[in-house]
Amino acid sequence: AQKVTQTQTSISVMEKTTVTMDCVYETQDSSYFLFWYKQTASGEIVFLIRQDSYKKENATVGHYSLNFQKPKSSIGLIITATQIEDSAVYFCAMREGGTGGYKVVFGSGTRLLVSP
Amino acid sequence: NAGVIQTPRHKVTGKGQEATLWCEPISGHSAVFWYRQTIVQGLEFLTYFRNQAPIDDSGMPKERFSAQMPNQSHSTLKIQSTQPQDSAVYLCASSRLGVGQDTQYFGPGTRLLVL
Repeated sequence: AQKVTQTQTSISVMEKTTVTMDCVYETQDSSYFLFWYKQTASGEIVFLIRQDSYKKENATVGHYSLNFQKPKSSIGLIITATQIEDSAVYFCAMREGGTGGYKVVFGSGTRLLVSP
Repeated sequence: NAGVIQTPRHKVTGKGQEATLWCEPISGHSAVFWYRQTIVQGLEFLTYFRNQAPIDDSGMPKERFSAQMPNQSHSTLKIQSTQPQDSAVYLCASSRLGVGQDTQYFGPGTRLLVL
């Protein structure tokens, strides 16, 4: 069964620094899709970035990038030049490409606090 | 473009009452998903529909919970005889289908409180 694990419960950083959030996943499928979402203090869940397993190049969107290490089943989220408004809970998620259909499983989340 | 719409945003019910939650997916999206979020369990998958057909309800509690999608513009999650442990935020998401197009976009959620 698919599983997503985020071991960092919370991280605190200073504004304008770089932070990395860890995520490891388990799947038997050779094809899978990885996602990162952000949940703001208001509860809104916002899609940030994705990595498809067949793509070798790490995805980058704005100041978000991914560190995809397939042999380690790891997909880290890197936020550069953090801003106060990046403070939120970040969720890693995975969809299996085989028989799992479109079901997505989420990790437990990492709370990021960015201080001035 | 409007995002996923969920109504009501907040609902308070008494124990034993019924609660119906509504979701309007993004226009053009063929898949609709329901999740439940609690502090203890986190974000849990409940069920999803593809082109209005129920595909996977593996996360739905076996009793009292049901979901429908009568047309492409809305889905409902019904909880019969609500219990205090049903208190949670219920989230709806929608997506297109196909590789690279299947990113799910979430609605604001319905916060259900069962007294």
